Amino acid sequence: EAGVAQSPRYKIIEKRQSVAFWCNPISGHATLYWYQQILGQGPKLLIQFQNNGVVDDSQLPKDRFSAERLKGVDSTLKIQPAKLEDSAVYLCASSSLQKNYGYTFGSGTRLTVV
Amino acid sequence: AQKVTQAQTEISVVEKEDVTLDCVYETRDTTYYLFWYKQPPSGELVFLIRRNSFDEQNEISGRYSWNFQKSTSSFNFTITASQVVDSAVYFCAPFDQTGANNLFFGTGTRLTVIP
Repeated sequence: EAGVAQSPRYKIIEKRQSVAFWCNPISGHATLYWYQQILGQGPKLLIQFQNNGVVDDSQLPKDRFSAERLKGVDSTLKIQPAKLEDSAVYLCASSSLQKNYGYTFGSGTRLTVV
Repeated sequence: AQKVTQAQTEISVVEKEDVTLDCVYETRDTTYYLFWYKQPPSGELVFLIRRNSFDEQNEISGRYSWNFQKSTSSFNFTITASQVVDSAVYFCAPFDQTGANNLFFGTGTRLTVIP
């Protein structure tokens, strides 16, 4: 089966600019996650969707970050305006409804804010 | 509150040596799941193993083995006869199913296998 697809692979922007990341999960996976991984740290959950509804966005900085999954399939994560501390790898993952069976991760988007 | 600790930040071994990566998960839950993921330089997180809290049998998969001891909250991962391709960051990740109901990660252990 095809894995979790993410694009772009790399992105460099200046601070205060906006950026968007795209994720296409494994077909049939109801749950989609966005994680932020800062260099040298473990991934941290930003937002979790089940179908097209938000389950958990408690750690999403909502003043600058937004995410949507309009048709319950692919998802977009946006940052506007970006700050230097947003430099990180943004990982998308998906799982079936049986979430404790584990997640499948994409290759991530490496964002550098200069 | 749940807490996962990977005390080893970086480990270096010479090829063919055995290496054990430690993970301690502190929780009041009696039922939980623990995962190990590998993150090679390419950046993708690769699933290695899933274990539930009721299963304390050791598991072996090729050169990989896992030892889960509920009494000490430890879920350690051993690589036997390490190879250069094992060089990666390894994450222990509990699944929190009573609170946030999602996977959360330790800080990771960077393993370097020297040829």
